[in-house]
Amino acid sequence: DAKTTQPPSMDCAEGRAANLPCNHSTISGNEYVYWYRQIHSQGPQYIIHGLKNNETNEMASLIITEDRKSSTLILPHATLRDTAVYYCIVNTGTASKLTFGTGTRLQVTL
Amino acid sequence: DTEVTQTPKHLVMGMTNKKSLKCEQHMGHRAMYWYKQKAKKPPELMFVYSYEKLSINESVPSRFSPECPNSSLLNLHLHALQPEDSALYLCASSLLAGGETQYFGPGTRLLVL
Repeated sequence: DAKTTQPPSMDCAEGRAANLPCNHSTISGNEYVYWYRQIHSQGPQYIIHGLKNNETNEMASLIITEDRKSSTLILPHATLRDTAVYYCIVNTGTASKLTFGTGTRLQVTL
Repeated sequence: DTEVTQTPKHLVMGMTNKKSLKCEQHMGHRAMYWYKQKAKKPPELMFVYSYEKLSINESVPSRFSPECPNSSLLNLHLHALQPEDSALYLCASSLLAGGETQYFGPGTRLLVL
């Protein structure tokens, strides 16, 4: 699986959009980009995933660059409950293994 | 029901004890996973079960023994653990074992004395 690079930490004001970047320059054509988050002392929670096209669901939007070497997770209106570690993971559609990187610790503040 | 449950939430055990962690899901998922997470580190895969058969063992020491008695249950039997095995043990499940979205339980926080 391709490796990912994320900033170790980010801050965001409550109510503003949180944009979390991820670099995955060695991603293969059959690898998806997945985002999970882990709120303190809880299990990881699936957020969204995509292959080539931008994706949106009730939690977030995922923007993948045309060359697929990077992506951005967007939380449109961050709340204090979005404070968590966010993991960007690339994974083929057939691999069982999720390889978590170090993630980005997002702190949402008042 | 999109929930993965784990029991117990917390466990303290001595190095000579035998204990078991339990994981349960009722989503009809046929793949189940054990992950280990040390403090301030990301989760690391330990085992994968697919259709109740062990399909991946990430070179985990034999003092950890997984068991999948049926498609809804996953156990992790612990014996002769070391203090460095203290960690959060996470269970997850997915519809199938191939790249599907994984749903995680809240974890069991284990302390080995």
